[in-house]
Amino acid sequence: DIVMTQSPDSLAVSLGERATITCKSSQSLLYSSNNKNYLAWYQQKPGQPPKLLIYWASTREFGVPDRFSGSGSGTDFTLTISSLQAEDVAAYYCQQYHNKPPTFGQGTKLEIK
Amino acid sequence: QVTLKESGPALVKPTQTLTLTCTFSGFSLTTNGMRVSWIRQPPGRALEWLARIDWDEDKYYNTSLKTRLTISRDTSKNQVVLRMTNMRAVDTATYYCARGRSYPLEDVFDVWGQGTMVTVSS
Repeated sequence: DIVMTQSPDSLAVSLGERATITCKSSQSLLYSSNNKNYLAWYQQKPGQPPKLLIYWASTREFGVPDRFSGSGSGTDFTLTISSLQAEDVAAYYCQQYHNKPPTFGQGTKLEIK
Repeated sequence: QVTLKESGPALVKPTQTLTLTCTFSGFSLTTNGMRVSWIRQPPGRALEWLARIDWDEDKYYNTSLKTRLTISRDTSKNQVVLRMTNMRAVDTATYYCARGRSYPLEDVFDVWGQGTMVTVSS
């Protein structure tokens, strides 16, 4: 199985500041046939199910604010929140769908400083 | 509007079999490209994908749990059922069902149920 490792485990950022979460995969998530990275990001607020934010490493899901962006390729990926809002307090998970079974990172807990 | 809702026992005893039902609306599991997965999350821990069933009845399982899992569907009731045998304390978790997208995004989960918490204890 592909192992997904996120860093940091927790992060405290001031309102309006940038938050950056990284995700590394144990093998490349880039599919050469279509040049796409099979990586998604989810947001999970306390007591709620995960919410899909980004897929193909950088494509925002419909309705997701543009302060959320994804980047990276191969084995190294980043989720950036450009200007942290109070409602962004949550855990964030990366997930690969390149191989079965799909696997998730351990999560990053984002808080307000 | 697509919705999914999990149901099942909140408490099971060790060695028992867990049966969970996912009742969905807003789509049909007989429509080409539709699929439903089960995913679990132990308290305070990460998400773990368990199993998937597709519109054409193809089924996929987490390899480490394959011998304990069975996924099935009842298209007349818009339900997907997950059975997990020989439950243990480490299986205590919130269990979610979620819809997967059409190929090649079949393991990207765009709509989730609220989850159902299952505790394994004698």
